[in-house]
Amino acid sequence: NAGVTQTPKFQVLKTGQSMTLQCAQDMNHEYMSWYRQDPGMGLRLIHYSVGAGITDQGEVPNGYNVSRSTTEDFPLRLLSAAPSQTSVYFCASRNVGVSNQPQHFGDGTRLSIL
Amino acid sequence: DQQVKQNSPSLSVQEGRISILNCDYTNSMFDYFLWYKKYPAEGPTFLISISSIKDKNEDGRFTVFLNKSAKHLSLHIVPSQPGDSAVYFCAASGGDGNNRLAFGKGNQVVVIP
Repeated sequence: NAGVTQTPKFQVLKTGQSMTLQCAQDMNHEYMSWYRQDPGMGLRLIHYSVGAGITDQGEVPNGYNVSRSTTEDFPLRLLSAAPSQTSVYFCASRNVGVSNQPQHFGDGTRLSIL
Repeated sequence: DQQVKQNSPSLSVQEGRISILNCDYTNSMFDYFLWYKKYPAEGPTFLISISSIKDKNEDGRFTVFLNKSAKHLSLHIVPSQPGDSAVYFCAASGGDGNNRLAFGKGNQVVVIP
């Protein structure tokens, strides 16, 4: 059981470049989310999805797009990378069929924008 | 405005002693609280949770206490082990219908052998 898989693990971009961070889960979880972790800031929610075809903004959505065409995948797109987007990005999923279920996290993508 | 606050960013404790981590929240609509543990270069892993209808939940060496009137929860680890050295995040959800998690900034715990 792979859980939540994030690719790539590391990436360096130049300012203005675009890229997509991939996230896939094999637990048939309806809820998926993206967070960024910055030093001294904890984890902040970027976007989330409660099911295929449904997405919504979190706390820090600017500069990021998401889509949810399947239950398994929830890619995060940086349209025009900026140095302020240098961070560690975590994808998470949870089962919404049962109340109060914890989120399961991937191992993160470490992104540097030069 | 941070809804979940973890003060005392780091804690050092001797192996075998108790580690106590504290967490305060401001949103009275939160009804589910979790603690996550994170090792370097890994994602957070779920440790223990508590619903607002309870004031204590225990799982092996880990116990979480909830004081709703004070909007405060704590995590007790006893006895502490070197493998417990990690960053611990407090998180909370509830009130918005989407179960989004709000995280604290984390506490670094170092257990000294």
